[in-house]
Amino acid sequence: SYVLTQPPSVSVAPGQTASLTCGGNNIGRQSVHWYQQKPGQAPVLVVYDDRDRPSGIPERFSGSNSGNTATLTISRVEAGDEADYYCQVWDTSSDHPVFGGGTKLTAL
Amino acid sequence: QVQLVQSGAEVKKPGASVKVSCKASGHTFRRFGINWLRQAPGQGLEWMGWISGYSGKANYAQRFLGRVTMTTDTSTSIAYMELRSLRSDDTAVYYCARGYCSSTACSGSKFDPWGQGSLVTVSS
Repeated sequence: SYVLTQPPSVSVAPGQTASLTCGGNNIGRQSVHWYQQKPGQAPVLVVYDDRDRPSGIPERFSGSNSGNTATLTISRVEAGDEADYYCQVWDTSSDHPVFGGGTKLTAL
Repeated sequence: QVQLVQSGAEVKKPGASVKVSCKASGHTFRRFGINWLRQAPGQGLEWMGWISGYSGKANYAQRFLGRVTMTTDTSTSIAYMELRSLRSDDTAVYYCARGYCSSTACSGSKFDPWGQGSLVTVSS
């Protein structure tokens, strides 16, 4: 089955830029979706189809996808951005969705 | 405003069944699918399956085959997920999430929005 790999944690200083990666074999050929999950809350979609943002998501959140790595970039990180972030694709071989293990973002 | 509201927390004994509901509002129920996912304490997200709001066709993850049943009531815009033969490792928060699915497939779909989650605790 298809595997997505995310670093367990990323730390950045407030005001700086965070780059959260999601690795997968030829992931650049797939549509990647990203979710933010704060403690005790349900996940929220922040980027879909590699780089599109749902309404209400700040422009500070952006995405890219090429080769074997998709990236969620959060500019001007705020304390309120601290959360777990999950990437997701649809595994065409099994016709099931696959999630990465998640990255915990900490604003130092 | 699209919203999914789930039923409350449940405590079940091993071997029992649980049925979680998910009421949709703010969109045409039959145009979308409902996915069910779960998250064990301190763990990541696990997809369980999806059901079409239009056709009622369901597609389950392999590991839940034979133990899970997903249904819908289009008259009330409610989706249900029943999990049987509960074990302690089924303790988790269960989520429903809207999927952009056709009547027969959900491939490539994002999940948006999500319900607030329903905690199911399995303990003797």
